[in-house]
Amino acid sequence: GAVVSQHPSRVICKSGTSVKIECRSLDFQATTMFWYRQFPKQSLMLMATSNEGSKATYEQGVEKDKFLINHASLTLSTLTVTSAHPEDSSFYICSARDRGLVFSEQFFGPGTRLTVL
Amino acid sequence: AQSVAQPEDQVNVAEGNPLTVKCTYSVSGNPYLFWYVQYPNRGLQFLLKYITGDNLVKGSYGFEAEFNKSQTSFHLKKPSALVSDSALYFCAVRPRGSSASKIIFGSGTRLSIRP
Repeated sequence: GAVVSQHPSRVICKSGTSVKIECRSLDFQATTMFWYRQFPKQSLMLMATSNEGSKATYEQGVEKDKFLINHASLTLSTLTVTSAHPEDSSFYICSARDRGLVFSEQFFGPGTRLTVL
Repeated sequence: AQSVAQPEDQVNVAEGNPLTVKCTYSVSGNPYLFWYVQYPNRGLQFLLKYITGDNLVKGSYGFEAEFNKSQTSFHLKKPSALVSDSALYFCAVRPRGSSASKIIFGSGTRLSIRP
């Protein structure tokens, strides 16, 4: 099946710093990528939909200036958590849909555990 | 509002016994239906999907799911559970009609298989 990678898998940072998370589709092209946040023992919460070559679409309640998304190519989307605070600590998961398949399921990355001290 | 319900937070089954993880949905039209599994500190792995055709869908690791249109359900099943099946399972649906439509996840069911 299609593979989505995320980097880094785990990051610890100080409060006030910015953290960039990369999401790559390794063997397919994805015009659309999705960024989710997952709290312990909870389901995934969609944060934003990333569209190649255009602005991301954010879900209600998600601060676009805090969670910057860039989808510069058909295989790469990045999420930057700006001025991170402890409440931003979470598990962030990206996913991508193969643009070549009409009925494509979403393929998920392995996730990034962010801890803000 | 469109939604996906997984009524059981946790399902406990003895190894070797059949298992069922329930899922019902409230989405207009005939959505695409999916099951994903998540192991600790990992992303979601795709198990199976229903697009059209046979109501019984077979997927990875011996799992299958049965689509029931009248009950708007898509229960996940396996004839004989393994301890390694213990994980968090998510049902998901995506409305048809637009390639940009978003997937809607259920709240997840933790499956625990005891030896």
